[in-house]
Amino acid sequence: SQTIHQWPATLVQPVGSPLSLECTVEGTSNPNLYWYRQAAGRGLQLLFYSVGIGQISSEVPQNLSASRPQDRQFILSSKKLLLSDSGFYLCAWSRGGGLLEQFFGPGTRLTVL
Amino acid sequence: DQQVKQNSPSLSVQEGRISILNCDYTNSMFDYFLWYKKYPAEGPTFLISISSIKDKNEDGRFTVFLNKSAKHLSLHIVPSQPGDSAVYFCAASASGTYKYIFGTGTRLKVLA
Repeated sequence: SQTIHQWPATLVQPVGSPLSLECTVEGTSNPNLYWYRQAAGRGLQLLFYSVGIGQISSEVPQNLSASRPQDRQFILSSKKLLLSDSGFYLCAWSRGGGLLEQFFGPGTRLTVL
Repeated sequence: DQQVKQNSPSLSVQEGRISILNCDYTNSMFDYFLWYKKYPAEGPTFLISISSIKDKNEDGRFTVFLNKSAKHLSLHIVPSQPGDSAVYFCAASASGTYKYIFGTGTRLKVLA
């Protein structure tokens, strides 16, 4: 069976500090990978998605970036965090090749102070 | 521009009754729709999906209805149980885009 891992579960960072959130998927190959953010009281906003190693599509211009160094690894980064980057970050995967269900990780709660 | 809308931020239903959660979309290219359930501080859990070639899909207590002409879908939960209390998101996607657009969610509270 497939599983998706995200870490850390919670993170408190000062404004201006860097960020690195990691997501890995097990039990499948060549998945589509996604990063979402849920701000307080709001829906899920798609930030980035990737259909293959090194292929990143950005949905929202911002000071975040994503990388996919390995087939089942997806990393969300920032060089300098802003207060507005606070939120609940979710990684998700779906089987490649078409419209299929997405499966989400447990999420990371990021608080920028 | 919110392409997927859930206009009811919250809904309260008595245990055993039917819960109906609604979702509207504006993009006629959307042809695959999903519903998710989310508890606080957890990732969303996939519930049920429907393709645009169908108008109904059932899975146990959950049924999703799609009205393409109205660009509207709904999730019916029968009978509702207290454990169904959560935030429900609908999501839509168009073939070839790999992207899923989520609504803002509806908080369902099932009263015992």
